[in-house]
Parts: sequence; C-alpha cells; structure tokens
Amino acid sequence: GAVVSQHPSWVICKSGTSVKIECRSLDFQATTMFWYRQFPKQSLMLMATSNEGSKATYEQGVEKDKFLINHASLTLSTLTVTSAHPEDSSFYICSARDPQSAGGPSDTQYFGPGTRLTVL
Amino acid sequence: GEDVEQSLFLSVREGDSSVINCTYTDSSSTYLYWYKQEPGAGLQLLTYIFSNMDMKQDQRLTVLLNKKDKHLSLRIADTQTGDSAIYFCAESLNRDDKIIFGKGTRLHILP
Repeated sequence: GAVVSQHPSWVICKSGTSVKIECRSLDFQATTMFWYRQFPKQSLMLMATSNEGSKATYEQGVEKDKFLINHASLTLSTLTVTSAHPEDSSFYICSARDPQSAGGPSDTQYFGPGTRLTVL
Repeated sequence: GEDVEQSLFLSVREGDSSVINCTYTDSSSTYLYWYKQEPGAGLQLLTYIFSNMDMKQDQRLTVLLNKKDKHLSLRIADTQTGDSAIYFCAESLNRDDKIIFGKGTRLHILP
C-alpha cells in the first residue's frame, strides 16, 4: 500500500522555540494531507486540512498562527509549531489522501507513523 | 454533532475471538472504518464498510453494521499476540469528508 513518512519521529525542544514536522507521501501524489493531534489515551483530533497550493483549513479551536501548515508540493506538507510550550507536547500524526488508491474507499487516507513532540 | 464512542479496553485469551464495539451518532455517515495502531506507530486501515452494507468479512476480520442502532462491531477470529494494539472506530460522511475517530479500544491478549 501507499506509504507516508514523517520526520522527525520524535523531538524534544525548549519552551519558546519553533519546531517543524514534515509529512511526505513516498509513492503517490497527495493533493490533500491532514494533520492530527493525539493525546495519551485519547483519539486523534483533526487539526487542519492541508491542500496543495492553497491555504490550510483549520478546525475550530485550532490556532492557525500557532500551527503553521505549508503544503508546497504534492508530496510534502509541513507543520510548524511556533513558540512551543509544554502544553503543545503531544503525538502529531499526518495522513495523506491517495486519490488513486485501490481496494478501499476512493481517496483513502494513509497515515504517517507520527511525531512525538516534547516541550520542556 | 458527530461523535464516535467505544470502550477503552478489552482483554481476550489467545485463540479466542475478540469483539470490539462502537456506536456513532451521525446517521448520515457513509463510510465506517476500523483502524489499528500499534505502539509508537501510525494508523493502519484494517477494513471499512459502506453504510448500505450489513456485514463485511476479510479473512479473520468480520465487520457488522446495525445502521438502525448506529452500532458497528469488529470481530477478530482466532486472536493472536500480534493483534495486540489499539483499534479505532471511525466515520466519515462521504469520501471527501474528514474522518471522525473514537478514542480507541486497547486490545490486550492473554496467554
């Protein structure tokens, strides 16, 4: 099946710094990517939908100036957590929609392995 | 609004069947999914079912949908240690819509 990678897999940073997380679709072109946040023992919470070449659509309650999303190419979306604070510590997961996927619903989302962010 | 509920924990003996249940609130949901998440990993789509189906079987996995009660279940036959993971129930209104996830059921396998 389609593969989505994330980099880094984990990151530790000091409070006040910014952290960039990359999401790449390795063997397909993804016009749409999604960014999720997962707290311990909680579900995935959709943060934003990233569309190639246009502005991201943020879910209610998600600060777009805090979580900057850039989807500059069909295989790469980045999430930048600006001025990170300890409450931003979480597991961030991206997914990419493969419009050509077979064997599942059209436009199946494939998930990356996640990035664990720890802000000290 | 959209909401997906599932129990948080299930413990099953190796070789037995596991049944994970889920309820959802939005009767307009068209796609219902089961995802598997192993420790420290992303989500893997296990199976899905369209809302106009009652049942879907794929090897050891059986999905049952009761649309009237908005109840979805995942049965894993002959549960193995490799099935130990968190299983997320999810829904979407249509193929282009966002996916709403439940909190996940942690499946623990007893020897």
